[in-house]
Amino acid sequence: DIVMTQSPATLSVSPGERATLSCRASQSVSSNLAWYQQIPGQTPRLLIYGVSTRATGIPARFSGSGSGTEFTLTISSLQSEDFAVYYCQHYNNWPLTFGGGTKVEIK
Amino acid sequence: EVQVVESGGGLVQPGRSLRLSCTGSGFTFGDYAVSWFRQAPGRGLEWVSFITSKTYGGTTKYAASVEGRFTISRDDSKGIAYLQMSSLQTEDTAVYYCSRPPGGICNNNCYFATWGQGTLVTVSS
Repeated sequence: DIVMTQSPATLSVSPGERATLSCRASQSVSSNLAWYQQIPGQTPRLLIYGVSTRATGIPARFSGSGSGTEFTLTISSLQSEDFAVYYCQHYNNWPLTFGGGTKVEIK
Repeated sequence: EVQVVESGGGLVQPGRSLRLSCTGSGFTFGDYAVSWFRQAPGRGLEWVSFITSKTYGGTTKYAASVEGRFTISRDDSKGIAYLQMSSLQTEDTAVYYCSRPPGGICNNNCYFATWGQGTLVTVSS
């Protein structure tokens, strides 16, 4: 199974600042990588798929990059509604696996 | 509006069974694959099971942690996918979500934009 490792576990950021989240795969997942946002008590929300394609309705302040085993989600200027947990997920093969999540909290 | 709604969760004793349902609306249910995920209290997301559309044979996949105990199926005439869970264990306690990928099969497109609100399964004596 491909192990997805996210870092840091917690990121403290002030509103308006930039946040950079990392996701590493234990083997190449090519471009088969998605990012989700989950606000506590809510359902996961697809942000990015194919490493860098924003899902419908996702603001341009969210961007994804990377390839192979190293990926990054960047939130260019954090808004109050962005404080949440973020998960990466590969879909290169079965089983699908998620990273453990990065919690973005208010500094 | 494209929606999926989970139901069937509840409190169940270890070793017993439970069947979850995932009802789709706003789209042609039979054209799409369906997947189940779960999230244990305070934990991250875990993929559980997947079924392709009938066009692709209704092929199923399972996580190792549930293989042999859980069975996914679908009734496209009703627009419902099921997750039959048997021999439930305390570690199966979680919110169970169903979701839909963009197509009838996962071919480099197994990401999930449509999620239900989840149904809580609690396994406890």
